[in-house]
Amino acid sequence: SQQGEEDPQALSIQEGENATMNCSYKTSINNLQWYRQNSGRGLVHLILIRSNEREKHSGRLRVTLDTSKKSSSLLITASRAADTASYFCATQGTSYGKLTFGQGTILTVHP
Amino acid sequence: AAGVIQSPRHLIKEKRETATLKCYPIPRHDTVYWYQQGPGQDPQFLISFYEKMQSDKGSIPDRFSAQQFSDYHSELNMSSLELGDSALYFCASSPLGEGADTEAFFGQGTRLTVV
Repeated sequence: SQQGEEDPQALSIQEGENATMNCSYKTSINNLQWYRQNSGRGLVHLILIRSNEREKHSGRLRVTLDTSKKSSSLLITASRAADTASYFCATQGTSYGKLTFGQGTILTVHP
Repeated sequence: AAGVIQSPRHLIKEKRETATLKCYPIPRHDTVYWYQQGPGQDPQFLISFYEKMQSDKGSIPDRFSAQQFSDYHSELNMSSLELGDSALYFCASSPLGEGADTEAFFGQGTRLTVV
């Protein structure tokens, strides 16, 4: 990956539990975004956090950003079976908005 | 609401053939991106266009070319196809304007299989 690592690569939990995924990146950024991908389907934007923000919430999602450590985390609270998907972080720098993706975390939520 | 439309959804080609993938961005979006996602891989940036001009280039092979037309739709042309070109190809668009900090809206992708 051009971006860095996502941790863990795979996560298996029970419905109702929380899921935390981590992402590290290498270069300076304008913002960091999280996307979700169901198997073989398109990428769906979840949340965007700007480089001057430290935490952001959207529904059951909570994202943190630590620019000093070049890392971010995505927390999904009270997970549901429908949350089963791959989750990617992607950074957007200064170059006309291209996204650089991390390797993704495969989340499986068991009913 | 209109989304990013890609065609075809599936494409099977033989080695050394040519393929053309099409992307129709969301109306009034001025930026189009192309990404390639191999099996089990993260999406890799290929190329982007802003206001019909190439704005950035990533790891796109010389066998590939792309352009954005006056109606803002974009086409990715792939020649001398190789087995390793088999992947999911995504187009995304965004209303980038003059700055970043904009989410990208992705199409459903074209699954290219080279046999």
